[in-house]
Amino acid sequence: NAGVMQNPRHLVRRRGQEARLRCSPMKGHSHVYWYRQLPEEGLKFMVYLQKENIIDESGMPKERFSAEFPKEGPSILRIQQVVRGDSAAYFCASSPARALYNEQFFGPGTRLTVL
Amino acid sequence: AQSVTQPDIHITVSEGASLELRCNYSYGATPYLFWYVQSPGQGLQLLLKYFSGDTLVQGIKGFEAEFKRSQSSFNLRKPSVHWSDAAEYFCAVGANNAGNMLTFGGGTRLMVKP
Repeated sequence: NAGVMQNPRHLVRRRGQEARLRCSPMKGHSHVYWYRQLPEEGLKFMVYLQKENIIDESGMPKERFSAEFPKEGPSILRIQQVVRGDSAAYFCASSPARALYNEQFFGPGTRLTVL
Repeated sequence: AQSVTQPDIHITVSEGASLELRCNYSYGATPYLFWYVQSPGQGLQLLLKYFSGDTLVQGIKGFEAEFKRSQSSFNLRKPSVHWSDAAEYFCAVGANNAGNMLTFGGGTRLMVKP
């Protein structure tokens, strides 16, 4: 049973470019969460999605960031016009449709570097 | 809103020594508590979790944690540390009324001396 998959594992972008991060949840999981880890810090919640719905985006920056989880295919975190401050590790987690007490399973992360 | 504090940013212990990593949380109701471990360049692996019941929970790799409501703490312990335990450890709290999000502490980086 494959775990949460994220790709790419490493992504380098120049300032002003777009970054697209993909997350495939574990089989049977329909809830996806995105977290950001800045250097030397803990993980900060960004957004919580179910298939075709954004449930909670309270942690998402108001501009340049968007997320989706379509009916088919992976969840996508999109960052437009990246800036150096976007450099971080972005982790995706998933949980089953009836998640027991918030247990979330994490992917290996995408490490974004903005030059 | 809930919050998590891990007071120790770095801890160094000798291999074979005991370990305790501190975690304090702030939340109005009974929290759901987790400890995760992150090896360099890797994702997070769940060590153990507390939802309810017995306040001493056992996890993988010989770790355990004790929930103390009176102290708002959920400290992680291991009786004898191995060199492979060197990693970063994160305590997290979850609450259903917060939309299933987890709130993480800042992490404690564990180094193990031979």
